[in-house]
Amino acid sequence: NAGVTQTPKFQVLKTGQSMTLQCAQDMNHEYMSWYRQDPGMGLRLIHYSVGAGITDQGEVPNGYNVSRSTTEDFPLRLLSAAPSQTSVYFCASSYQIGYTQYFGPGTRLTVL
Amino acid sequence: ELKVEQNPLFLSMQEGKNYTIYCNYSTTSDRLYWYRQDPGKSLESLFVLLSNGAVKQEGRLMASLDTKARLSTLHITAAVHDLSATYFCAVEYGGTSYGKLTFGQGTILTVHP
Repeated sequence: NAGVTQTPKFQVLKTGQSMTLQCAQDMNHEYMSWYRQDPGMGLRLIHYSVGAGITDQGEVPNGYNVSRSTTEDFPLRLLSAAPSQTSVYFCASSYQIGYTQYFGPGTRLTVL
Repeated sequence: ELKVEQNPLFLSMQEGKNYTIYCNYSTTSDRLYWYRQDPGKSLESLFVLLSNGAVKQEGRLMASLDTKARLSTLHITAAVHDLSATYFCAVEYGGTSYGKLTFGQGTILTVHP
């Protein structure tokens, strides 16, 4: 199993550009989530999904969209990048909520 | 709004000593998670605590949950250098917010010889 994979590892964007961060898992997990981690802060939940076709907002959803058309993939879309979105983004998955979460390696995003 | 507070935020320990990290949260929940993060790396799940009184142990780490006090502890026994990392707790909202996790700020642990 590859576990949870994220692409790209690093990305630099200009203000106003859009992009999609990819997240995939090969463990047939129902629950997937996106977090951002900023210096000196814990992780903050952006969006999450408890199964294909079901998504919900987390603590900091503004400026981000998600969709979950398959069990395996959970892409995060930045609609119009802003410098405040400079962060490290982690995707995670678990069999269901209440089970061990497995985290991807992260994407370091810089918005100029 | 669910608030999760860890203390201490910074912990410098000597090898061989014991210490406890505390995780307090503000609203009712009976699901709590502990994670470890090494510098520049991703997070690794340590424990999942799903009920009042739950206790789990792995090596030199032991976690417990008291839902009535809204408190979880991560106890370190006879610390070794390899335990140096940042430790996070995360609490899951209950009820209609099933699946929504809030993280604490993290505790940076440094173990000295």
